[in-house]
This record gives sequence, C-alpha cells and structure tokens, in this order.
Amino acid sequence: DQQVKQNSPSLSVQEGRISILNCDYTNSMFDYFLWYKKYPAEGPTFLISISSIKDKNEDGRFTVFLNKSAKHLSLHIVPSQPGDSAVYFCAASGPFPQFYFGSGTKLNVKP
Amino acid sequence: GAGVSQSPSNKVTEKGKDVELRCDPISGHTALYWYRQRLGQGLEFLIYFQGNSAPDKSGLPSDRFSAERTGESVSTLTIQRTQQEDSAVYLCASSHRDYGHSNTQYFGPGTRLTVL
Repeated sequence: DQQVKQNSPSLSVQEGRISILNCDYTNSMFDYFLWYKKYPAEGPTFLISISSIKDKNEDGRFTVFLNKSAKHLSLHIVPSQPGDSAVYFCAASGPFPQFYFGSGTKLNVKP
Repeated sequence: GAGVSQSPSNKVTEKGKDVELRCDPISGHTALYWYRQRLGQGLEFLIYFQGNSAPDKSGLPSDRFSAERTGESVSTLTIQRTQQEDSAVYLCASSHRDYGHSNTQYFGPGTRLTVL
C-alpha cells in the first residue's frame, strides 16, 4: 500500500524546455515533502523541499508546487539541462521520523 | 569531508544465511536512517537512530531484521535467515542534528543484496 506514488516511471524532455515531475500521496497527515535526485550507483541527494503550510517553493531552476486539496506535488525544472538527467524521487514525512518515498521517475534531458 | 559510506557495495548470499551490512555516517551526524528499496519500488523506511535515544524500529519488516549503532558512529543492519524477498538495495542516510523532518538526509550509495 504505497502512500506516495509517482505514476510516470520515465520522462523525456528537450534541453531548454520545462520538465514537470508529478507525485501523488494519500495520507492527509503528511506535513513535509521533499524531492531527491539520484544518479546511477550513488545514493539520493536532496534537491528541494516544501512544508505543508506553503504551496510553492523555488530554488533556482527548481520549483516545487503543493496542492493539498488534490494531495498532489510537482517539481518543475526550467530550463532543463542534460545534467538534470537522473531518477527523481518524491518523499513525504509524517509523523517523524517516518519518510515515505515514491518509486521514482527517470528523467532524460536530450541535448 | 567524506560522505556516508556503506559496505559491501554488493552482497550475494544463499537463502537462509545471515548477512551484515555496514554504514559509516558523516562525522558529527547524530541521526541515522536505514531504508530498503526493492526493484521498481520506492524507499521503505526501516529504522531510525538519534544519538543515544532508543531507536525507532517501526519500519523493520520482521524479527529477522535488526540494527545497532554505537553512539554516533557506525551502524550495522543484520538480516538473519535471509529470504529471496529480502533482495533489495539497502540505503543508509545520516543527518546533522535532530531538527525533525526538515533536516536534510545525506544518503550513502547503498548495498545491493541478492539472495539466491
């Protein structure tokens, strides 16, 4: 019973365009959300996060949007670069220290 | 400084054997997590250590799984009488201080366990 779902296993985007990665969750008690990026043979690295009291958080080319009523989270990357090609995991927290991760979306940014 | 390290990077074992996986957290990090990632699935929380407090073991899937951590140093995850469904990548993460879930976790590269 996955509480965090990433329904798109892969996404392909042209360099310079926007990448939109989506994530859905089922537990309304989650109060903190994160995105991680993972390259092959490495552990996930933290990318950006958002608290449930916000609906948007921006960090450079990366913006995370939270729609609590729809229990939906998205990560926008603008503009996309070939170095962004990786697997992206969304995660939700609550109650601490439990973290729930999605199964990941593999992003391929084509030059 | 060095990141989180895990050993071995790969482990192949026979069903029924015991295995021990090691995690060396970033120096000074008081919090340490273990996760499991089965093929095609997300990371599953297993256990959490914070300083000298009692660990949160709520994610351990069965009593065949146990973990130890001495103070704020290395941690070992032990799986007894391994089963084929234990095959997965086991990831360890550490974080600087216990600021709750807003604190960034730094992950190791993982140990890929294959149970034949």
